[in-house]
Amino acid sequence: ETGVTQSPTHLIKTRGQQVTLRCSSQSGHNTVSWYQQALGQGPQFIFQYYREEENGRGNFPPRFSGLQFPNYSSELNVNALELDDSALYLCASSLAGVSEAFFGQGTRLTVV
Amino acid sequence: AQSVSQHNHHVILSEAASLELGCNYSYGGTVNLFWYVQYPGQHLQLLLKYFSGDPLVKGIKGFEAEFIKSKFSFNLRKPSVQWSDTAEYFCAVQGGYQKVTFGIGTKLQVIP
Repeated sequence: ETGVTQSPTHLIKTRGQQVTLRCSSQSGHNTVSWYQQALGQGPQFIFQYYREEENGRGNFPPRFSGLQFPNYSSELNVNALELDDSALYLCASSLAGVSEAFFGQGTRLTVV
Repeated sequence: AQSVSQHNHHVILSEAASLELGCNYSYGGTVNLFWYVQYPGQHLQLLLKYFSGDPLVKGIKGFEAEFIKSKFSFNLRKPSVQWSDTAEYFCAVQGGYQKVTFGIGTKLQVIP
């Protein structure tokens, strides 16, 4: 157990819909990163939040957005879902200045 | 931009065989290097990490990795694998702002 929890664990959405995924970071961690892991691929960095501000972004379109709350929990929002958005979405929390990140179990999103 | 290349995508070994998984990275500056493991049905876990100092790093469960700066490599080794080592292994590099770039992963299957 890492202390990072994600919800929901599984989700099925229709193309064009919007989805919100949630992450509670490990106690004491102030930085949250989101990753997309497509089948057969390694996790791809989406973005990172530190102190409620986006602090680094990967090669993902603006329809991928996020939030971080004062308690350091975080949301990932994806608008206008496409079939290729089907993947495992991973949240990782860490303490700024300390590089090791702890991962949650992920949310499996299926877009049909 | 940082990138990671894992040479073997699928490895099958018998128990007690030795393991070496190749990992090369590209990044122009100082890096932190990681190996993560994902056991079937479980979340990503940190196996070992290199930040600085001794280039030979020992991790959990008898794994070790050697950082060779001149070769931009961080290969993972274990002298004698067990059936319980069956998992997917990801090499990862962190070059700045805590963005971690993962390789595509290597699926290891250990046959009893």
